[in-house]
Amino acid sequence: DAGVIQSPRHEVTEMGQEVTLRCKPISGHDYLFWYRQTMMRGLELLIYFNNNVPIDDSGMPEDRFSAKMPNASFSTLKIQPSEPRDSAVYFCASRTGGWNTEAFFGQGTRLTVV
Amino acid sequence: AQKITQTQPGMFVQEKEAVTLDCTYDTSDPSYGLFWYKQPSSGEMIFLIYQGSYDQQNATEGRYSLNFQKARKSANLVISASQLGDSAMYFCAMRSTMNRDDKIIFGKGTRLHILP
Repeated sequence: DAGVIQSPRHEVTEMGQEVTLRCKPISGHDYLFWYRQTMMRGLELLIYFNNNVPIDDSGMPEDRFSAKMPNASFSTLKIQPSEPRDSAVYFCASRTGGWNTEAFFGQGTRLTVV
Repeated sequence: AQKITQTQPGMFVQEKEAVTLDCTYDTSDPSYGLFWYKQPSSGEMIFLIYQGSYDQQNATEGRYSLNFQKARKSANLVISASQLGDSAMYFCAMRSTMNRDDKIIFGKGTRLHILP
């Protein structure tokens, strides 16, 4: 398996623009997580899905952020409109439902909003 | 509320010495799992080791071991015979299933520098 695949790897956009980050989880994994990493706040869980259903979105910072998982092999995280404070590395991770299974991370998307 | 605390923002260690990275956690869930991840400068997140709350023995994976003290709610990572390639950010993480929730939360990390 190719692992968790995220695209794009880098994104530079202007304030106010819409940004869409994409993730393809590992085949067969039931859970998908979106994390945001910044120097100040570390790794924050934004939202996670179980079997394509959003379970907990309490970490989504505000209404400008939205996430979808239309099927088991694809998820998006959208920011509209983007702001400079959204600049961060966004990670997608997936895992199976087993109790002792770790989450496998994608390479991350480095977002810069100017 | 569930919480992971890593009190050492940075550490400097001489090559070949053993390293202990601290991690304490807070949860009222009797069943939980603890993870350690490594993030080198290239940015990827690498899983190192797992400890279940009901595991009787401390987890070990090669040069990594987890010093699990359940009563103290601590899960320190021990790296034996450190190498230059161990220089990285290290994250402690916890999975618990309180209130039918099932997520993994992370501490803020410890940056480890191995000195030649």
